[in-house]
Amino acid sequence: NAGVTQTPKFRVLKTGQSMTLLCAQDMNHEYMYWYRQDPGMGLRLIHYSVGEGTTAKGEVPDGYNVSRLKKQNFLLGLESAAPSQTSVYFCASSLTSGGSYEQYFGPGTRLTVT
Amino acid sequence: KNQVEQSPQSLIILEGKNCTLQCNYTVSPFSNLRWYKQDTGRGPVSLTIMTFSENTKSNGRYTATLDADTKQSSLHITASQLSDSASYICVVGGSSGGSYIPTFGRGTSLIVHP
Repeated sequence: NAGVTQTPKFRVLKTGQSMTLLCAQDMNHEYMYWYRQDPGMGLRLIHYSVGEGTTAKGEVPDGYNVSRLKKQNFLLGLESAAPSQTSVYFCASSLTSGGSYEQYFGPGTRLTVT
Repeated sequence: KNQVEQSPQSLIILEGKNCTLQCNYTVSPFSNLRWYKQDTGRGPVSLTIMTFSENTKSNGRYTATLDADTKQSSLHITASQLSDSASYICVVGGSSGGSYIPTFGRGTSLIVHP
């Protein structure tokens, strides 16, 4: 049981380039989330998904797109990377919404945009 | 706007000593409050989860308290160990359109010295 995994672990992009971050979970969780974490700030929710085929915007969705074609995978895309998107990105999943259900986090992807 | 404020921002203590971290929040509607531990370069890992009706929850040497009336929580660490050096994040869960939306504090950075 690997839990939540993220690919890649590190990436350097040039401004304007595109990329996709992959999050995978093997716990059969319905909910999946993408966060970014910047120095001196709390984690901020980018997008989330309440089930296969559904996505919703979080607190800071601009410049990102997501897809949840399979229940176990949640993809985060940057169509045209900007230096402001330099951050550490965390994926998380939970069995269902809120209550006492645990959110499990991946190890993070460190992205630098030059 | 939902907010979670943590104090102190950073804390240095000697191994074996106790410490208490604080969390004040303005999140409505309130769903639950979680404390996470985040080691450097890793994703957050849950320590405790408390719902509205719970006012204390323990996990080994970690004890969290919740006062829903004053909207305050604390995390008490007993007999600190070097491995406790990490960032401790308070997360308050609210809801939006029926979905669970967490608000993260910026964290307290704890350093335990031998």
